[in-house]
Amino acid sequence: EIVLTQSPRTLSLSPGERATLSCRASQSVSSTNLAWYQQKPGQAPRLLVYSAFVRVTVIPDRFSGSGSGTDFTLTISRLEPEDFAVYYCQYYDTSPPAYIFGQGTKLEIK
Amino acid sequence: EVKLVESGGGLIQPGGSLRLSCVGSGFSVSNNYMNWVRQAPGEGLEWVAVIYGGGDTFHADSVKGRFTISRDTSSNMVYLQMNSLRAEDTAVYYCARDSTSPGRAGYWGQGTLVTVSS
Repeated sequence: EIVLTQSPRTLSLSPGERATLSCRASQSVSSTNLAWYQQKPGQAPRLLVYSAFVRVTVIPDRFSGSGSGTDFTLTISRLEPEDFAVYYCQYYDTSPPAYIFGQGTKLEIK
Repeated sequence: EVKLVESGGGLIQPGGSLRLSCVGSGFSVSNNYMNWVRQAPGEGLEWVAVIYGGGDTFHADSVKGRFTISRDTSSNMVYLQMNSLRAEDTAVYYCARDSTSPGRAGYWGQGTLVTVSS
């Protein structure tokens, strides 16, 4: 069973800074099936990036995804106040079908 | 516009049953992967179940044998029948639709809270 481990669990940064969020898989996975979500308090998650690096159309280009194999990264180049939230990586395992989430990284204002 | 609206949550005693509903608009549930994802208070996201466009269903090990996902294409609804509920099933339950390609949930409802407590 694939496990996704996100780090750090909490990241304290200031607006304007660069954020680097990590997602590590317990075994090599297909980057095609790796996605990132943002969740703000009281709201449903929002899909940001899929296939490891493809940004959803309406998502600002300061968000970027990268990685392959077991190591994936979500980078926010220059933090805006609205970016402070919890971020989850997710893998779609096809055998058997399951959507596996990491435990999340909370990005908070320093 | 794609929209998902869940209903059916509430307070239920341990061992009880509850059925959650999710009505979709702006698309057809018969042509999409539909999921239930839950989030316990203060915790992360946990996938619960998926129903494929062709009707195949899959459930997380934590709910297998107790929960069942189904759909009614005539009313464009997806359901989650939850039996033998436990305190650890307490969570906000989200209905989510995969994007055009499967494996990522591009559309989410607002969630419905299920509280299992005596």
